[in-house]
Amino acid sequence: DTGVSQNPRHKITKRGQNVTFRCDPISEHNRLYWYRQTLGQGPEFLTYFQNEAQLEKSRLLSDRFSAERPKGSFSTLEIQRTEQGDSAMYLCASSPTRTGGRTGELFFGEGSRLTVL
Amino acid sequence: GQQLNQSPQSMFIQEGEDVSMNCTSSSIFNTWLWYKQDPGEGPVLLIALYKAGELTSNGRLTAQFGITRKDSFLNISASIPSDVGIYFCAGPNAGGTSYGKLTFGQGTILTVHP
Repeated sequence: DTGVSQNPRHKITKRGQNVTFRCDPISEHNRLYWYRQTLGQGPEFLTYFQNEAQLEKSRLLSDRFSAERPKGSFSTLEIQRTEQGDSAMYLCASSPTRTGGRTGELFFGEGSRLTVL
Repeated sequence: GQQLNQSPQSMFIQEGEDVSMNCTSSSIFNTWLWYKQDPGEGPVLLIALYKAGELTSNGRLTAQFGITRKDSFLNISASIPSDVGIYFCAGPNAGGTSYGKLTFGQGTILTVHP
């Protein structure tokens, strides 16, 4: 399977614990995005990387959230001291650069669903 | 910030019927995208529109980029059970540094009865 892969698919944790999600993008895509989706809503942009550089972060990304893409390949999203309001689906997407791909065409993974008790 | 409003919020139709849904914005978008999300999955791009007035088809799906650049429509003809899912419109944020930084609507939930 050459699509975007996310792990784990589901995570249940207690409030105050730290969690980490991993995303493996499509191999030739150098742009990687994290979105958050709550029930009944569309995805909301969190952050994106071009290669290893994190170029933009949403104000939704509080200080408890950190994302990395150390070698420009896979990415991790860590949430520290989780709160019940962090419960959501965390979606990763990738795309080629604009010259190699059409505007706004993102390839999403299946998501990592977080439940904070 | 930019917001996209989709209507209707949900639709219940019989197999074989045609479906129409729309998306409006208070601000101009230069690109309109329609994604579909199946339960437990990530969104999948259906149609992308890049020019005002553009009409684009993908099989039984047809989408139009409104001439005011503030709306878009998606039509599905002869619906089948696998059309069930949530349909999202989306567009790149104004001022964003990446065209992948999208604003999504809240979605239209489609249910198709056999």
